[in-house]
Amino acid sequence: DTGVSQNPRHKITKRGQNVTFRCDPISEHNRLYWYRQTLGQGPEFLTYFQNEAQLEKSRLLSDRFSAERPKGSFSTLEIQRTEQGDSAMYLCASEGARNSPLHFGNGTRLTVT
Amino acid sequence: AQSVTQPDIHITVSEGASLELRCNYSYGATPYLFWYVQSPGQGLQLLLKYFSGDTLVQGIKGFEAEFKRSQSSFNLRKPSVHWSDAAEYFCAVGANNNDMRFGAGTRLTVKP
Repeated sequence: DTGVSQNPRHKITKRGQNVTFRCDPISEHNRLYWYRQTLGQGPEFLTYFQNEAQLEKSRLLSDRFSAERPKGSFSTLEIQRTEQGDSAMYLCASEGARNSPLHFGNGTRLTVT
Repeated sequence: AQSVTQPDIHITVSEGASLELRCNYSYGATPYLFWYVQSPGQGLQLLLKYFSGDTLVQGIKGFEAEFKRSQSSFNLRKPSVHWSDAAEYFCAVGANNNDMRFGAGTRLTVKP
């Protein structure tokens, strides 16, 4: 068990650019979650996958955001035409048995200048 | 709608002193309740969880929490705080993981 891995750890981009983050969950976990955490707030749910199927998306996930998990293993979160308001920590978590506690990665911190 | 309130944004305690972090929730039924800890540059780590049964829950690192249905609370406690406990603590509530809501967090500072 190597834990949940997220890359990159920190991304600085200019407004209007596209960015993509990667999450590698714990290998035997079939559920994968994305959260966003802004300064002074707790994590907010964005979306989750069971295997390769994206089962739910939060209203926080605008059309500029897209997430994929093509083979039911790693996942990517892409933000197109970034805005300064997208600056946040993006957290990935995976889940083993249904409703077992989540295992979080260390996050990707996005700064949009 | 479900919600989680952590009334204390920042708490400072002396090393060796006792600690209680407050968490109140609003939910339509008895939810699953969690406490997570986040150290700087680290991901969230689960301290303890309550699903059902005994309302006093023991967690890792000497933490415990008590579910009080009548008060809609799930306060986190530790009898003697260590300097390494300095971190951000999040209470979370939900019927399942995709339904989970986190509080805004309480930052704990430990004085020597």
